Amino acid sequence: SQQGEEDPQALSIQEGENATMNCSYKTSINNLQWYRQNSGRGLVHLILIRSNEREKHSGRLRVTLDTSKKSSSLLITASRAADTASYFCATDEADSSYKLIFGSGTRLLVRP
Amino acid sequence: DTGVSQDPRHKITKRGQNVTFRCDPISEHNRLYWYRQTLGQGPEFLTYFQNEAQLEKSRLLSDRFSAERPKGSFSTLEIQRTEQGDSAMYLCASSFDGETQYFGPGTRLLVL
Repeated sequence: SQQGEEDPQALSIQEGENATMNCSYKTSINNLQWYRQNSGRGLVHLILIRSNEREKHSGRLRVTLDTSKKSSSLLITASRAADTASYFCATDEADSSYKLIFGSGTRLLVRP
Repeated sequence: DTGVSQDPRHKITKRGQNVTFRCDPISEHNRLYWYRQTLGQGPEFLTYFQNEAQLEKSRLLSDRFSAERPKGSFSTLEIQRTEQGDSAMYLCASSFDGETQYFGPGTRLLVL
């Protein structure tokens, strides 16, 4: 069963705008990861944030984590057409730090 | 390329046939995971190896599915007597201990 739920399910923005995606999960976690998937391809790891961290940056990406609300957000600043993809959050479970549980993803379209 | 590789990338088979997929993880990674992804959904965990030991199998992995990781290196996933419902993308990932999982490009299976 899916643990995480991303919101929105789909997002369409103009190149140069910022894109924000949200993820909610259900159980206690060790860490939360964000992945990108281009159509029909494998997943590319973007960023990992641990349960004791609140914010993390990587290039144009900013991730926040609120463990009290069991939620995370991914912000992509100054979006580019190449950012068009599906974005997934994935969590492990605090008592079993191996398998990842994915949400159903946010499909981002960046219009040139 | 030192990433995770999977073979074949695409497989079309007739219902009732057996298929086998191969995954070669990143060489120093001791953990290997199989996931299945259907259209419009996030990946779902199937099974996990630490070195050569298979430590967990999901309820999704029926008796028709078997996975091996001889010598703790590459892994194979076999599906016997395929059904149309087995059509999906099969993703392999590897990690060193419980940290970031790196995914391969996937094997897309179509059962006719």
